[in-house]
Amino acid sequence: QKEVEQDPGPLSVPEGAIVSLNCTYSNSAFQYFMWYRQYSRKGPELLMYTYSSGNKEDGRFTAQVDKSSKYISLFIRDSQPSDSATYLCAMSPPGTGANNLFFGTGTRLTVIP
Amino acid sequence: GAVVSQHPSRVICKSGTSVKIECRSLDFQATTMFWYRQFPKQSLMLMATSNEGSKATYEQGVEKDKFLINHASLTLSTLTVTSAHPEDSSFYICSARGYSGRGTDTQYFGPGTRLTVL
Repeated sequence: QKEVEQDPGPLSVPEGAIVSLNCTYSNSAFQYFMWYRQYSRKGPELLMYTYSSGNKEDGRFTAQVDKSSKYISLFIRDSQPSDSATYLCAMSPPGTGANNLFFGTGTRLTVIP
Repeated sequence: GAVVSQHPSRVICKSGTSVKIECRSLDFQATTMFWYRQFPKQSLMLMATSNEGSKATYEQGVEKDKFLINHASLTLSTLTVTSAHPEDSSFYICSARGYSGRGTDTQYFGPGTRLTVL
């Protein structure tokens, strides 16, 4: 079993839709959770960063962490064509910090105008 | 936020030649840098972790004599693919550990280098 599972998609939605992206994980020690966005042929860029359980909102993006279920989500409201990208979840345990990131495989999202 | 640059963005070379890729953290000092490779439609695969002034730590299955990593300063790490072969063709991405303006300690990625070996 992989440490982090993520549905690769692809996922296609119409412009304006609410998008839900999810990852599950098996290591209960993970404490730091991140979402990266990667445009085609580009490096990933950090989108959201959360620590432990709870919600975090930044503009149209909301990250949720449910440690009891080992489940994290990224919601995108009012999706735009510019949101079309691959979204990677990443997480790390305490102690090693950012030196030890575990990535999901990424979900490819297309927002159709 | 933290900015990481990579050079070149794209390189095409003949089989048997060596290729050097540079990774720089532009607005912060990175004690630790990472090198990943990514095949089409696949996730990032960590190749090695490098700390400034010391030898890189390679992941299992990654040949250290083929993928030479040098982390000479707090802002520069280089990856040299020696005697490149077509199977080395991939997207190579570096990242640097640092803090964003919001105090987030995580990895910040460069834009990647697409290597094509003919």
